[in-house]
Amino acid sequence: DAGVIQSPRHEVTEMGQEVTLRCKPISGHNSLFWYRQTMMRGLELLIYFNNNVPIDDSGMPEDRFSAKMPNASFSTLKIQPSEPRDSAVYFCASRDGGESTDTQYFGPGTRLTVL
Amino acid sequence: AQRVTQPEKLLSVFKGAPVELKCNYSYSGSPELFWYVQYSRQRLQLLLRHISRESIKGFTADLNKGETSFHLKKPFAQEEDSAMYYCALRPPLGGYNKLIFGAGTRLAVHP
Repeated sequence: DAGVIQSPRHEVTEMGQEVTLRCKPISGHNSLFWYRQTMMRGLELLIYFNNNVPIDDSGMPEDRFSAKMPNASFSTLKIQPSEPRDSAVYFCASRDGGESTDTQYFGPGTRLTVL
Repeated sequence: AQRVTQPEKLLSVFKGAPVELKCNYSYSGSPELFWYVQYSRQRLQLLLRHISRESIKGFTADLNKGETSFHLKKPFAQEEDSAMYYCALRPPLGGYNKLIFGAGTRLAVHP
């Protein structure tokens, strides 16, 4: 298994543009999490899904951010319009609800730079 | 409010020195505590969890409910321990394993 897959790995865009980040969780995992990592704030949970249903989106910064999980193998995080302060590394993680260790498995991250 | 505090952004030590990465949490209950680690150019991964009471790569962490702390310790640091370390809390209720992370501490072990 390749683990959690994220694309793109790097994204550079201009302020005002729409950005879409993609995540493929580990097959069979039923929980998916989106995090944002910055130097100032560390790792922040943005939103998480359980069985494709958004459970808690209280960490989503504002209406410019939206996330979807149309099926068990795919999720997107969209920023529209993007702003320079959105520059960060965005991580996706998944978890197997049947696993006793409660481990979250992280993807490699997408480094977003908004100019 | 649920919060995880890692007071040090950077901890710099020499090889062979003892290491303690501090983590304090605020939660009215009995949460589960974890340490995650991110080595250079690698994915964030679980290092250890308090209920396992295990030592991983020489690291241990003891949950102190009185002090609401979960400090990560290693008696003799190695250069390969250099990484970003995150302390995380999982509330016992909720069922979906939401993790609340601290801001992280970068450990730099010098030769």
